[in-house]
Amino acid sequence: DAGVTQSPTHLIKTRGQQVTLRCSPKSGHDTVSWYQQALGQGPQFIFQYYEEEERQRGNFPDRFSGHQFPNYSSELNVNALLLGDSALYLCASSPSGGELFFGEGSRLTVL
Amino acid sequence: TQLLEQSPQFLSIQEGENLTVYCNSSSVFSSLQWYRQEPGEGPVLLVTVVTGGEVKKLKRLTFQFGDARKDSSLHITAAQTGDTGLYLCAGVSPGAGGTSYGKLTFGQGTILTVHP
Repeated sequence: DAGVTQSPTHLIKTRGQQVTLRCSPKSGHDTVSWYQQALGQGPQFIFQYYEEEERQRGNFPDRFSGHQFPNYSSELNVNALLLGDSALYLCASSPSGGELFFGEGSRLTVL
Repeated sequence: TQLLEQSPQFLSIQEGENLTVYCNSSSVFSSLQWYRQEPGEGPVLLVTVVTGGEVKKLKRLTFQFGDARKDSSLHITAAQTGDTGLYLCAGVSPGAGGTSYGKLTFGQGTILTVHP
């Protein structure tokens, strides 16, 4: 049984560009959450998707948007990249009311 | 804004020593979790504590939840080099919009290094 898979694992972008990160949840999980983890910090909640809708959102600007597909997979989009967006982006999936399982993350570097 | 403060931020000890990591919150969460994260990987759940005053043991790890459910500690007995990693506490908020499991608010983490 595959766990949470994320792609790409690493990517480099320049300021002003746009990026899309992808996440496939663990089998049987219908809820996907995204977190941003800056170097040396704990993860910060970006948003959570359930039934293809954004259910909760953290304190992130509208440049951060997402989507959940009927197969429960999800994308995180970030527009107009800033240097400060450089971080590890973690996807976590869970069954309704259950424990979160994290993927290994996508390391984004903005130059 | 709900905040979680972890201390210490860095901990460097010899194998066999004991250690304690603290997590203090400015508010009450529905439950509190501890995670361990290794380089290049996502956090892995160690334990969830729900009830004030609760104590849970996981082999050499002991987790306590304060009576007021605003603070927690992780104690490791006889640390081993394999315990090296980033330890994170996280407060769990209730879900919204049909979900029963909401967002996690993480502390900044404690980087533990255990030397042989």
